[in-house]
Amino acid sequence: NAGVTQTPKFQVLKTGQSMTLQCAQDMNHNSMYWYRQDPGMGLRLIYYSASEGTTDKGEVPNGYNVSRLNKREFSLRLESAAPSQTSVYFCASSEPLVVGTNEQFFGPGTRLTVL
Amino acid sequence: DAKTTQPPSMDCAEGRAANLPCNHSTISGNEYVYWYRQIHSQGPQYIIHGLKNNETNEMASLIITEDRKSSTLILPHATLRDTAVYYCIVRLYSSNTGKLIFGQGTTLQVKP
Repeated sequence: NAGVTQTPKFQVLKTGQSMTLQCAQDMNHNSMYWYRQDPGMGLRLIYYSASEGTTDKGEVPNGYNVSRLNKREFSLRLESAAPSQTSVYFCASSEPLVVGTNEQFFGPGTRLTVL
Repeated sequence: DAKTTQPPSMDCAEGRAANLPCNHSTISGNEYVYWYRQIHSQGPQYIIHGLKNNETNEMASLIITEDRKSSTLILPHATLRDTAVYYCIVRLYSSNTGKLIFGQGTTLQVKP
């Protein structure tokens, strides 16, 4: 099992450009998440998808859109990138339907710089 | 979800036990305590979780006080590879979402 995979690993954008970050998991998990992590900070939740066909906003959704393409894939889109979106982006998945667990599995991250 | 308070940094000698504290004084009865760690820019890794009883697994032990207002993560024999940022998270169990709210965590430095 590959677990959670993310592409690309690194990306440099100019202000105003758009791009889509891809995430896929092969653990048959229902829930998937997108976080961002700024230097020296903890992770902040951008969007999450509790199950296929549903998405909800997290703490910092402004400037982002998401698509839960199918059970495996959850993409994050920046329509018009801004320097404030320079960050490391992590995707995660979990199976929360078992009482008391909800271990989240994280991908390796995408390091995004917006100039 | 209840807020947690952790010291920003701690040191530990290699081979000794590392005890990482967490305060969660506003925790409610059906909220769990989770611990994750993040090793140098990698994605966070789940360590352990508990409700009110002490828990142990192959990685660590979790001690939760009787009033549940604080907890301690114990790494019994810390190694250099345990150097990481450790996050204590309190989460209301929900079957609809599994979202976690991360704070700034404790940076543990294990020294030879």
